[in-house]
Amino acid sequence: GQQLNQSPQSMFIQEGEDVSMNCTSSSIFNTWLWYKQDPGEGPVLLIALYKAGELTSNGRLTAQFGITRKDSFLNISASIPSDVGIYFCAGYNNAGNMLTFGGGTRLMVKP
Amino acid sequence: DTEVTQTPKHLVMGMTNKKSLKCEQHMGHRAMYWYKQKAKKPPELMFVYSYEKLSINESVPSRFSPECPNSSLLNLHLHALQPEDSALYLCASSLGQGWGTDTQYFGPGTRLTVL
Repeated sequence: GQQLNQSPQSMFIQEGEDVSMNCTSSSIFNTWLWYKQDPGEGPVLLIALYKAGELTSNGRLTAQFGITRKDSFLNISASIPSDVGIYFCAGYNNAGNMLTFGGGTRLMVKP
Repeated sequence: DTEVTQTPKHLVMGMTNKKSLKCEQHMGHRAMYWYKQKAKKPPELMFVYSYEKLSINESVPSRFSPECPNSSLLNLHLHALQPEDSALYLCASSLGQGWGTDTQYFGPGTRLTVL
């Protein structure tokens, strides 16, 4: 099925550092969603993007819908220990009826 | 309020047991979903209900039986499961107003262990 390529697979950073992760696809996507998942919990929606070029912030998080509609990135500024978790990108392509997920980025923050 | 609730939080069952997972939302959403998630993997879609009708079944074995009694409730009935069915089962909901733009909100999940 349709795949989203999410990178990096994992990151181990120092508290206070900025983080960047991205998702790319070979086909056009109409919506990009970014979720964070803590161990044993469900994914929590962080940011939703609906238009090409859209740049949206949520606190220290910023995400953009790529102009080509084939990619999206998520930035976290000034990371803190509670940022630890797995971040998933997800989106709807032109078929539009199923949410496709990236493989996830596991973020670890060293105090 | 963007809350989806799921019960139970944890479930341990034998291969001959019958159990049910429950999901509830009061956001007025008309689409509800069941996902299965294995460790370190993204969620995999199982079923989609749209306006209380089953619209997508991703070739899920019949030992999983979904039910949508009303627009706020979604159940997943389990029978004769296998150990490989052990996973985190996630429920999600969305407005259901249009393909390609529906933001899905997830519940906390049920951690299922099949012995």
